[in-house]
Amino acid sequence: DQQVKQNSPSLSVQEGRISILNCDYTNSMFDYFLWYKKYPAEGPTFLISISSIKDKNEDGRFTVFLNKSAKHLSLHIVPSQPGDSAVYFCAASVTNFGNEKLTFGTGTRLTIIP
Amino acid sequence: EAGVTQFPSHSVIEKGQTVTLRCDPISGHDNLYWYRRVMGKEIKFLLHFVKESKQDESGMPNNRFLAERTGGTYSTLKVQPAELEDSGVYFCASSRLGGANYGYTFGSGTRLTVV
Repeated sequence: DQQVKQNSPSLSVQEGRISILNCDYTNSMFDYFLWYKKYPAEGPTFLISISSIKDKNEDGRFTVFLNKSAKHLSLHIVPSQPGDSAVYFCAASVTNFGNEKLTFGTGTRLTIIP
Repeated sequence: EAGVTQFPSHSVIEKGQTVTLRCDPISGHDNLYWYRRVMGKEIKFLLHFVKESKQDESGMPNNRFLAERTGGTYSTLKVQPAELEDSGVYFCASSRLGGANYGYTFGSGTRLTVV
């Protein structure tokens, strides 16, 4: 029973254009959402997060949007750069006084075409 | 600041053997987590230590897996005896502040192959 789903295994985007990565979740108890980026042979690296009390969070070229009614979030990268080529994981947690664990999706491989 | 260190980076063992993975968290990080990714699937939670105490081990697959964190510093994850389905990449992560919502730091992982 997968509670966090990333239905697109891969995505290719032209350099300079916008990359949009999508994520859906089923557990309505999730109240914090994160995106991680992973290069080959490395561990995931935290990218950006959003609390369920917000619908948007922006950090430089990265923006995460949350639609709670649809249980959907997305990561926008603009403009896309070759260094953005990586696997992106969506993750979610239930706030529990520091005892949170992350539930991850299966990842989306983003390829930026020069 | 040094990152989260895991070793070995790769391990190939035969079914039935024992393997011990080690994780050295970032100094001062009380929270330590183990996760596993099997064959391109999602990264799954295994367990969470706060200092030397197991806070949550709900993700441990079965009693063939044993995790310890002696003295609240480094942690080991032992698989005994290993089965084919234990193959995957085992990640360790650590954090200073209260839990996952602050985006904790992962190590590079140990790729375990059971043949």
